Amino acid sequence: TQLLEQSPQFLSIQEGENLTVYCNSSSVFSSLQWYRQEPGEGPVLLVTVVTGGEVKKLKRLTFQFGDARKDSSLHITAAQPGDTGLYLCAGATGGFKTIFGAGTRLFVKA
Amino acid sequence: GAVVSQHPSWVICKSGTSVKIECRSLDFQATTMFWYRQFPKQSLMLMATSNEGSKATYEQGVEKDKFLINHASLTLSTLTVTSAHPEDSSFYICSAMGTRGYTFGSGTRLTVV
Repeated sequence: TQLLEQSPQFLSIQEGENLTVYCNSSSVFSSLQWYRQEPGEGPVLLVTVVTGGEVKKLKRLTFQFGDARKDSSLHITAAQPGDTGLYLCAGATGGFKTIFGAGTRLFVKA
Repeated sequence: GAVVSQHPSWVICKSGTSVKIECRSLDFQATTMFWYRQFPKQSLMLMATSNEGSKATYEQGVEKDKFLINHASLTLSTLTVTSAHPEDSSFYICSAMGTRGYTFGSGTRLTVV
């Protein structure tokens, strides 16, 4: 069974703090996506990483794909209340199947 | 581009009735769509993979006779929850493969009373 372990599951921080979310697996993924989901809505794609060692930046968000394509991290700099939400990582196997992490519920206090 | 429309966004039905949820790719063709179920404060659980023109592939533990999937065209997949019971109450989300990755519908909150 392929698993994608995501941590932490819950994070409550003050505005301005930095944070990192991790996704780890023993499986190799052809690509990995990060999503953000608001309550009552579907996940919205933030980024897709494909190449081992790849680093992508999206404003205050930095995404990294491990060299072996088994793990990934999302780092948020100077978090803002608007960053509050559920962050999901999802790894794509060779076929169409995507495995989701358990999610990280982030709450940023003003 | 790559917009997926899901309808309805919420539905309340009586126990024993059936409910149909539609998932449409608006500006692209999707030969494959996916149906997920999400419980409160939990991640997405893949229920089935919907393939245009053929039978859906169900994940282990998902009853294919209860969750009927039809993917009759390249832009539409439907999920019908048959003989719904309160334990079927959940948030159901579809997704399709777009050019930049998977695009998700906005979800359907099903409440069975």
